[in-house]
Amino acid sequence: EDQVTQSPEALRLQEGESSSLNCSYTVSGLRGLFWYRQDPGKGPEFLFTLYSAGEEKEKERLKATLTKKESFLHITAPKPEDSATYLCAVLKTSYDKVIFGPGTSLSVIP
Amino acid sequence: DGGITQSPKYLFRKEGQNVTLSCEQNLNHDAMYWYRQDPGQGLRLIYYSQIVNDFQKGDIAEGYSVSREKKESFPLTVTSAQKNPTAFYLCASSIVGGSETQYFGPGTRLLVL
Repeated sequence: EDQVTQSPEALRLQEGESSSLNCSYTVSGLRGLFWYRQDPGKGPEFLFTLYSAGEEKEKERLKATLTKKESFLHITAPKPEDSATYLCAVLKTSYDKVIFGPGTSLSVIP
Repeated sequence: DGGITQSPKYLFRKEGQNVTLSCEQNLNHDAMYWYRQDPGQGLRLIYYSQIVNDFQKGDIAEGYSVSREKKESFPLTVTSAQKNPTAFYLCASSIVGGSETQYFGPGTRLLVL
């Protein structure tokens, strides 16, 4: 069965304390993997799309990486404004729907 | 500015009532989607459309209906058959045949009176 899981469910970091969020997927034929940021009461904001194993993308304090079974969102020296829920989603080949994971809720404490 | 708008931001439904959520995009995207988000759960697909006058059921279509008469618009009706409609509803759009990245609107929170 196609599935996307994210860990941890919630993460509390001190400001400046780097860490990584994990997205694991079991789908046959990955066409793309997406990362989004969602603030409370708002729609998800697009961050990155990754297409193939070994690919990396960066934006400010965030770096996303992709392997054949999982993706990591690395957060370097986080700030309180990085607090949000981070969503991972995958798009299969030969399938026109995206499968979302449940998200990781990140809190960065000053 | 290009983007996706959803209205209203909050919507209250009485029992037995149908309500319609609006979604408009000016990104010239072909595909549009409706998702439902409940606390602690991932986004679940309700309906999607890749072309005008055509749409497909997603994973939780029961109790919902849609139309796609214009490329820019994809309204969602929550019917009285949907017994647990309280949720956060998100509309998204994407190009077809490209990166397939979906871009989301700000959402509508539906509450039952």
